[in-house]
Amino acid sequence: NAGVMQNPRHLVRRRGQEARLRCSPMKGHSHVYWYRQLPEEGLKFMVYLQKENIIDESGMPKERFSAEFPKEGPSILRIQQVVRGDSAAYFCASSPRTGDTQYFGPGTRLTVL
Amino acid sequence: GESVGLHLPTLSVQEGDNSIINCAYSNSASDYFIWYKQESGKGPQFIIDIRSNMDKRQGQRVTVLLNKTVKHLSLQIAATQPGDSAVYFCAENMRGDDKIIFGKGTRLHILP
Repeated sequence: NAGVMQNPRHLVRRRGQEARLRCSPMKGHSHVYWYRQLPEEGLKFMVYLQKENIIDESGMPKERFSAEFPKEGPSILRIQQVVRGDSAAYFCASSPRTGDTQYFGPGTRLTVL
Repeated sequence: GESVGLHLPTLSVQEGDNSIINCAYSNSASDYFIWYKQESGKGPQFIIDIRSNMDKRQGQRVTVLLNKTVKHLSLQIAATQPGDSAVYFCAENMRGDDKIIFGKGTRLHILP
């Protein structure tokens, strides 16, 4: 049973470009969560999605960030017009139900030049 | 501000000794607590969890203790091994909520 998959593992973008981060949850998990981690800090919640629905986006910046979890395919975290402050590790987690243990993927490390 | 925090940012332990990592939380509405281990360059790995109706839970070489009176959580690792070197995060979740709130982490160093 494969774990949570994320790609790419490393992503380099110049300021103003777009970043797309992908997450495939564990088999049988329909709940996906995105978190951001700055160096030497804990993870900060961004958004929680179920298939085709955003359930909680209280941690998402108001501009430039969006997320989706389509009926088919992985969940996508999209960052438009990236700035240096977006450089961080972005982790995806999945669970079978709300309130269940969340299992994390290996993360995507975004570097904005 | 963060509702979950840690007493020490770094802990050094002799190989073979027991490690105790502490965590304080401030939200009395939290009813689910989790310890994650994060190795360099990797995602957080679930270690053990505990719900607020319990005060102790044991796993393989790990024990989590919950003291709701003083809002304190600890992770005990028995016979610490070099592979235990990592940053350990405590995290909390409130009933009916979906997000996990992470503390800043404690880095565990294993001394030979």
